[in-house]
Amino acid sequence: DAMVIQNPRYQVTQFGKPVTLSCSQTLNHNVMYWYQQKSSQAPKLLFHYYDKDFNNEADTPDNFQSRRPNTSFCFLDIRSPGLGDAAMYLCATSRAGFGAFFGQGTRLTVV
Amino acid sequence: GQQLNQSPQSMFIQEGEDVSMNCTSSSIFNTWLWYKQDPGEGPVLLIALYKAGELTSNGRLTAQFGITRKDSFLNISASIPSDVGIYFCAGRTRAAGNKLTFGGGTRVLVKP
Repeated sequence: DAMVIQNPRYQVTQFGKPVTLSCSQTLNHNVMYWYQQKSSQAPKLLFHYYDKDFNNEADTPDNFQSRRPNTSFCFLDIRSPGLGDAAMYLCATSRAGFGAFFGQGTRLTVV
Repeated sequence: GQQLNQSPQSMFIQEGEDVSMNCTSSSIFNTWLWYKQDPGEGPVLLIALYKAGELTSNGRLTAQFGITRKDSFLNISASIPSDVGIYFCAGRTRAAGNKLTFGGGTRVLVKP
């Protein structure tokens, strides 16, 4: 049974049109992560939440925002997607200090 | 910032061979994680390590948390074709809290 669920699996958006990716978890983990992964590269951390405490990476563009309305859900908002934002977006969850579990990812295409 | 240097970047395996890869850093880590990622999928957690010197197995996989806390290795014994994929190490330092940083990955391919 999927424990970290990302929707949609594939998303096509127009250049400059806001898009939201979603992540939900059934593990009741207090930490949630959003990563960006481009082809053949390692996942790059965008930000993470520890409970409601938001931690942004210094090099995450302002174009990327996140919301965590409750423990189970976390959203990634891309305000004005550019061609360079086309990537796989990965959500992960963990209990603080323990192994992190990933969803299947959302492949974002910008046209 | 934390950097994880993973090697080799790629390797070819022949069925039945043992393979090994490692991750090193100049920072001290308090958690080491090893993942496998297949094309188009999210990384799957293989082994989690939490104590210096810890040696943990998961089937044909064995990983160790280095005694200096600055490195970790993953061994795959008697490799099979489905071992092909990209393996990533990831880790946390005490200073960075819950931030999870990834190494560059090791691409495992089958020898032609």
